[in-house]
Amino acid sequence: NAGVTQTPKFRVLKTGQSMTLLCAQDMNHEYMYWYRQDPGMGLRLIHYSVGEGTTAKGEVPDGYNVSRLKKQNFLLGLESAAPSQTSVYFCASSYFETSGFYEQYFGPGTRLTVT
Amino acid sequence: GQQVMQIPQYQHVQEGEDFTTYCNSSTTLSNIQWYKQRPGGHPVFLIQLVKSGEVKKQKRLTFQFGEAKKNSSLHITATQTTDVGTYFCAGRGNNAGNMLTFGGGTRLMVKP
Repeated sequence: NAGVTQTPKFRVLKTGQSMTLLCAQDMNHEYMYWYRQDPGMGLRLIHYSVGEGTTAKGEVPDGYNVSRLKKQNFLLGLESAAPSQTSVYFCASSYFETSGFYEQYFGPGTRLTVT
Repeated sequence: GQQVMQIPQYQHVQEGEDFTTYCNSSTTLSNIQWYKQRPGGHPVFLIQLVKSGEVKKQKRLTFQFGEAKKNSSLHITATQTTDVGTYFCAGRGNNAGNMLTFGGGTRLMVKP
């Protein structure tokens, strides 16, 4: 099993350009998440999804959109990139259990620079 | 909203010394998880604590969850160079649905 994969690994954008980050998981997880990681600020949740066709806003959703058309894929879109969106982006997925236990499995990350 | 603070932000230790990182939440947590991120890598799950006052051990690592379920700690005994990385706590609030709030992390550096 590949686990959680992300494409691309690196990307440089100019201000105003758009792009889509792709996350794929092969563990049949219901839940998927997009985080951004900035130095000293830990991981901040951008958007998440609790199942195919559903998405919800996280802590820092502005400037981003997401879609979950297939259970295994979670796309993160930047419609008009800004330098403040320079960051490392991590996708994660998890099971859902009624007990509430849900370890998150992370992808390798995408390093995005906006100039 | 819920905030999770971690201290210290950085810690340099000599190999063989002990290390502790502390995690404090602004609200009561239903559970807390700990992750480790090696330099250049991605976060990897270490453990979850659920019960008030819970203590769990993994070899040289000891994890504690406070009685009030608002704080937690990770203690490493006799650090090794393989312990290098950033340790994150992540808490889920009682009304947070399925969202985790991550602390800022403690970056551990070990001198051989």
